[in-house]
Amino acid sequence: GEDVEQSLFLSVREGDSSVINCTYTDSSSTYLYWYKQEPGAGLQLLTYIFSNMDMKQDQRLTVLLNKKDKHLSLRIADTQTGDSAIYFCAEANSGYALNFGKGTSLLVTP
Amino acid sequence: NAGVTQTPKFRILKIGQSMTLQCAQDMNHNYMYWYRQDPGMGLKLIYYSVGAGITDKGEVPNGYNVSRSTTEDFPLRLELAAPSQTSVYFCASSYQGMNTGELFFGEGSRLTVL
Repeated sequence: GEDVEQSLFLSVREGDSSVINCTYTDSSSTYLYWYKQEPGAGLQLLTYIFSNMDMKQDQRLTVLLNKKDKHLSLRIADTQTGDSAIYFCAEANSGYALNFGKGTSLLVTP
Repeated sequence: NAGVTQTPKFRILKIGQSMTLQCAQDMNHNYMYWYRQDPGMGLKLIYYSVGAGITDKGEVPNGYNVSRSTTEDFPLRLELAAPSQTSVYFCASSYQGMNTGELFFGEGSRLTVL
């Protein structure tokens, strides 16, 4: 399928905000997802947003959706060292499976 | 809570050998998936199943086969292993499919073909 685009690497200092950006491909995607992968583990759903929403807030996480530009972002407030992981943006394409981006490696330094 | 269980966690194969990666879920999910993850390449869908007895190809099915004889199990078969199949393989399941559901992932199976 077509690619979901993400920057590959982001480094922030502990306590700062992190913003991870994603450009998706399918304008008909009903849901858009953010998954987190810690070292040596599988992916876990972090949050998701329905396509008729512009923003979703969940504790330290804020998801922004710009449907016109097919742009999705994940903001992590007060980033901690435990937030260091790979973050994947994903869209539902055919309805049966997710189309994942290549993942953004977030490194949080003390 | 077992969730999605994959075995083996690690395996080294020689070129031309065959093997089966096992995947089992205990959540009574209808949908199951196999993805492969290569460094810097994200996850690519190999095969998926929407229920027992039903399977379909994903984006990168060549060199693989699957079966779904029960709701719980979704094994992935590699025939005639090639170095290009060196990867980390993830099995996942979902109750409702992708437009409304969450994917639950196993911990992965790291395969090296030499």
